[in-house]
Amino acid sequence: AQSVSQHNHHVILSEAASLELGCNYSYGGTVNLFWYVQYPGQHLQLLLKYFSGDPLVKGIKGFEAEFIKSKFSFNLRKPSVQWSDTAEYFCAVFHQAGTALIFGKGTTLSVSS
Amino acid sequence: NAGVMQNPRHLVRRRGQEARLRCSPMKGHSHVYWYRQLPEEGLKFMVYLQKENIIDESGMPKERFSAEFPKEGPSILRIQQVVRGDSAAYFCASSYGTSVSSTDTQYFGPGTRLTVL
Repeated sequence: AQSVSQHNHHVILSEAASLELGCNYSYGGTVNLFWYVQYPGQHLQLLLKYFSGDPLVKGIKGFEAEFIKSKFSFNLRKPSVQWSDTAEYFCAVFHQAGTALIFGKGTTLSVSS
Repeated sequence: NAGVMQNPRHLVRRRGQEARLRCSPMKGHSHVYWYRQLPEEGLKFMVYLQKENIIDESGMPKERFSAEFPKEGPSILRIQQVVRGDSAAYFCASSYGTSVSSTDTQYFGPGTRLTVL
């Protein structure tokens, strides 16, 4: 069965530290890739997405992600995190044969000021 | 352009009661998805609907759960005879289409947090 793995369950960083959250998926066909963010008490918001073209995707709030097809990965990065980035981050995959998003279990990011 | 609307935001039910969760998709979107989020878990797909049709319900429990998306009005996720294990956040998402294309991003509502006492 298709799956999405997020390697880090909980990441704790200080402000200005760099961030990289790992995401790997198991489906080998055509995929769309997403990162969603869920701030405390709020609903999921789209952070960025990859459909085709440049594998380096830039999203909102300074986030970016790189699609590496050979590694089935779509890691999320931010060069300098802020306290306001404290949230839960979900990687999700939509594959051509499917009908819905497949989510990873999420990574909780805690940023201390 | 209003986003995906869900109500109620919080719902408390006693065991054995019925829960009805409503979702109004974004304007122009005709595809609705329901997901469930359990504590410490990611979102799990439940059901995918288009107007008046259930397209994929492979993620929905066979008993007690049902969903509809009528021609007029919101999509409804209905849970009969709720049990404590149904306590979760239920999220609705909508999209314009469903193929692998740039127009088919799913946008999520704020969720309904169901608590079963």
